[in-house]
Amino acid sequence: QVQLVQSGAEVKKPGASVKVSCKASGYTFTGYYMHWVRQAPGQGLEWMGWINPNSGGTNYAQKFQGRVTMTRDTSISTAYMELSRLRSDDTAVYYCARDNNWGQGTLVTVSS
Amino acid sequence: QPVLTQPSSHSASSGASVRLTCMLSSGFSVGDFWIRWYQQKPGNPPRYLLYYHSDSNKGQGSGVPSRFSGSNDASANAGILRISGLQPEDEADYYCGTWHSNSKIRVFGGGTKLTVL
Repeated sequence: QVQLVQSGAEVKKPGASVKVSCKASGYTFTGYYMHWVRQAPGQGLEWMGWINPNSGGTNYAQKFQGRVTMTRDTSISTAYMELSRLRSDDTAVYYCARDNNWGQGTLVTVSS
Repeated sequence: QPVLTQPSSHSASSGASVRLTCMLSSGFSVGDFWIRWYQQKPGNPPRYLLYYHSDSNKGQGSGVPSRFSGSNDASANAGILRISGLQPEDEADYYCGTWHSNSKIRVFGGGTKLTVL
């Protein structure tokens, strides 16, 4: 069965960067786009972008362009999302999602 | 880019049927989109329920009961999630989402908090 297992919670200071990983199993990693979606406390879902694990091509939501980088390592079927210049309003749960399967989420807290 | 608008809350009695709406912004036609629906309970990731494009092109998520169904309301330019025979465990947030193929972006609605009375 498809499984997406994300890295653990992070606490960062404003201005720092965070890199979240998403290890895929149960399917051909390079066959499906991987999306990243975040959810601030008490808020809705916000799409951040996708990576094509086969080509490495990406498409980011305009809001995050210049601050987000999505990469992958096909040898270990893992996708990564790095967000830089963190602000307090980046505090959220970050999810990776393949089609209709979602990771468990990674809480990123930005606090001085 | 398309925008999906959902009412922020909805309530209904146990056993009733509800119709949750997901309105597509003007300039876009709901008939051109595949609308997906997700259910999210506190502390959990979204759970995929189903997608709807047309009566001949729709799909149910694995293990999702048939009392969850999708449709379109062309007059309202909206996707619809219908839940029949509401149960207490249906109380959750419901999100619609779609893929805009022209810009290759995914869009989500703001979510509807469903309360089962």
